[in-house]
Amino acid sequence: DAGVTQSPTHLIKTRGQHVTLRCSPISGHKSVSWYQQVLGQGPQFIFQYYEKEERGRGNFPDRFSARQFPNYSSELNVNALLLGDSALYLCASSSSGSGANVLTFGAGSRLTVL
Amino acid sequence: SQQGEEDPQALSIQEGENATMNCSYKTSINNLQWYRQNSGRGLVHLILIRSNEREKHSGRLRVTLDTSKKSSSLLITASRAADTASYFCATDRWAAGNKLTFGGGTRVLVKP
Repeated sequence: DAGVTQSPTHLIKTRGQHVTLRCSPISGHKSVSWYQQVLGQGPQFIFQYYEKEERGRGNFPDRFSARQFPNYSSELNVNALLLGDSALYLCASSSSGSGANVLTFGAGSRLTVL
Repeated sequence: SQQGEEDPQALSIQEGENATMNCSYKTSINNLQWYRQNSGRGLVHLILIRSNEREKHSGRLRVTLDTSKKSSSLLITASRAADTASYFCATDRWAAGNKLTFGGGTRVLVKP
C-alpha cells in the first residue's frame, strides 16, 4: 500500500506569490492534517480536515487555506508568500477525526521563498 | 507556540550505549506520542502512551509518563547508527481532536 504522498517535493517561490501543495492520504484514511516545520523546530499544526470538513485550525494567518476533496486528498494553499513561510510542509493522515490516533506523515514539501 | 520542550536539544553517543531524552508539556493531555524524523523528512510514529499509563515498551524503546510532573522520557537501549535522527514528543487533548502539539525535538547522533 502506498503511504501518504505529497507533491511537489521541493519548490522555490518569490515573495508575494502563492503556492498550492497537494497530499494524498493512505487508502481508507479520512482525516488529513497539515503541519509546518521551520528548520530546527518541531512541526506546528496548521489544519485538520475530516470527511471534507475543517476540524481544526492552528494559529496561522488567513493567507493559509486548505480543502479536502471527495476522495480525501487535500490541498494547502498559501497566498502572498513571505520569507518566513519557508519551511517543510508536512501532510499526515489518520483513519479517525479524533481520539488517540497515530498520524502517518508524508515526506513533506520543502518550500523556499526568496 | 509549542506544548512540549525536549531535553537535551542534542545528544551524541557511541553505538551500543543507551540514549535518554525527556519531554515536558504544559497542559493536561490525553495521550503522548514519540516520533522520529530522519534528515528533515517525514515523521515516523514510534510509540503512544495514554494518560492513564505510566510505562510502555516497544522493542528497544521504553517510554515513561508522569502526568503529575507533566513529563515523559524516551529511552533507546543498545543504540545503533541507524537510530541517528531527531526525536519529537507530541501531545493531544480531548478538546483538540486529532491535533498534535509537538516539542522542539532532540537531535541524536549515534557514532559507530
